[in-house]
Amino acid sequence: AQSVTQLGSHVSVSEGALVLLRCNYSSSVPPYLFWYVQYPNQGLQLLLKYTTGATLVKGINGFEAEFKKSETSFHLTKPSAHMSDAAEYFCAVSFTGGGNKLTFGTGTQLKVEL
Amino acid sequence: EAQVTQNPRYLITVTGKKLTVTCSQNMNHEYMSWYRQDPGLGLRQIYYSMNVEVTDKGDVPEGYKVSRKEKRNFPLILESPSPNQTSLYFCASTVSSDTSYNEQFFGPGTRLTVL
Repeated sequence: AQSVTQLGSHVSVSEGALVLLRCNYSSSVPPYLFWYVQYPNQGLQLLLKYTTGATLVKGINGFEAEFKKSETSFHLTKPSAHMSDAAEYFCAVSFTGGGNKLTFGTGTQLKVEL
Repeated sequence: EAQVTQNPRYLITVTGKKLTVTCSQNMNHEYMSWYRQDPGLGLRQIYYSMNVEVTDKGDVPEGYKVSRKEKRNFPLILESPSPNQTSLYFCASTVSSDTSYNEQFFGPGTRLTVL
């Protein structure tokens, strides 16, 4: 069975500071990994995904994530936070044969302060 | 504009009163699903559909029904809602049922309160 753990339900950073949101997964088969963002009163929007190949994945709005198989991690980073990055972020996993089902982490609320 | 729409966006109802939340996508996607989002639990899949007339249970299907009579529509039915179904519901779709790595597109959500 697959599972996703997001460390830190709330993360606060200063504007311009590094954003690091942690995600660890458990999967018995090679996973596909996703980060979604949810802005207030909106649905989820894909930030980036890892399927195969290059382990450093770049997404929208300056975010990137690195797939580390040895650490079973897929942490999300952004070098410089902007006020508009304040949102809830979800890490999710799927796998071949899993029927498109996404297994989500519990989410991390990012707050960006002046 | 490519999108997933849900209606209503907000609904307050009482225990036992049947309700339907509609979901429609205009992208000709094969796969559609419903999730519920609860604080501290993330999103959990309720039901999914791999194509017209093909539906199956997700992780938390109790108390819900779905149908897929047309490719674009995937309504969620609560025949006898209970307070523990108070939640934020999302419909999602993706282009193919054969692959698991495609982006899923989410609707704006339906906030349901059952009194």
